[in-house]
Amino acid sequence: GQQVMQIPQYQHVQEGEDFTTYCNSSTTLSNIQWYKQRPGGHPVFLIQLVKSGEVKKQKRLTFQFGEAKKNSSLHITATQTTDVGTYFCAGPRGEYGNKLVFGAGTILRVKS
Amino acid sequence: GAVVSQHPSWVICKSGTSVKIECRSLDFQATTMFWYRQFPKQSLMLMATSNEGSKATYEQGVEKDKFLINHASLTLSTLTVTSAHPEDSSFYICSALRTGTGELFFGEGSRLTVL
Repeated sequence: GQQVMQIPQYQHVQEGEDFTTYCNSSTTLSNIQWYKQRPGGHPVFLIQLVKSGEVKKQKRLTFQFGEAKKNSSLHITATQTTDVGTYFCAGPRGEYGNKLVFGAGTILRVKS
Repeated sequence: GAVVSQHPSWVICKSGTSVKIECRSLDFQATTMFWYRQFPKQSLMLMATSNEGSKATYEQGVEKDKFLINHASLTLSTLTVTSAHPEDSSFYICSALRTGTGELFFGEGSRLTVL
């Protein structure tokens, strides 16, 4: 079945360093979404990318959707302790639809 | 922004009892809601799709008699874990699809511990 793979599983960075998580889908996606889950919290929607090659920025966060619409990345510049959490990518099951298939998530820890 | 409320946020129960979790969209209507399950340090796994006024559709491997879903109104879906066992202990999260816009909002989650 459709799979969404995410790497790395875990990353521990020094505050101020950059961080990137990568997401790969086994199928072409109509869109990809990114969520952040703080420890003990629930997933919070960050962004949705729809267009091939799309790049969107939110302050220190840069999101990219691959040309083939099968991969995506989230890059955080100069991490802060508030960035701590698990970052999930998710894509719709099938080409369209509202049922999401989540990646395994990347746990980010930031040392101050 | 739109808010989805889940209640209770955490619950501890004895093995064999049933537990009901509510998912409410507070300021919008949601014809469709989704129920996810998340084990510690793992990703979210879709359990079922809850449709207002009709039966829920369950994902493969999810027992419909074990996890009863009711979506009686456009703002409320409930998940009842029947005859709970320790292996049902998990974080249950709902999401609501805003009717008309297609936006998806997640609830705060409900942490179930079965003793």
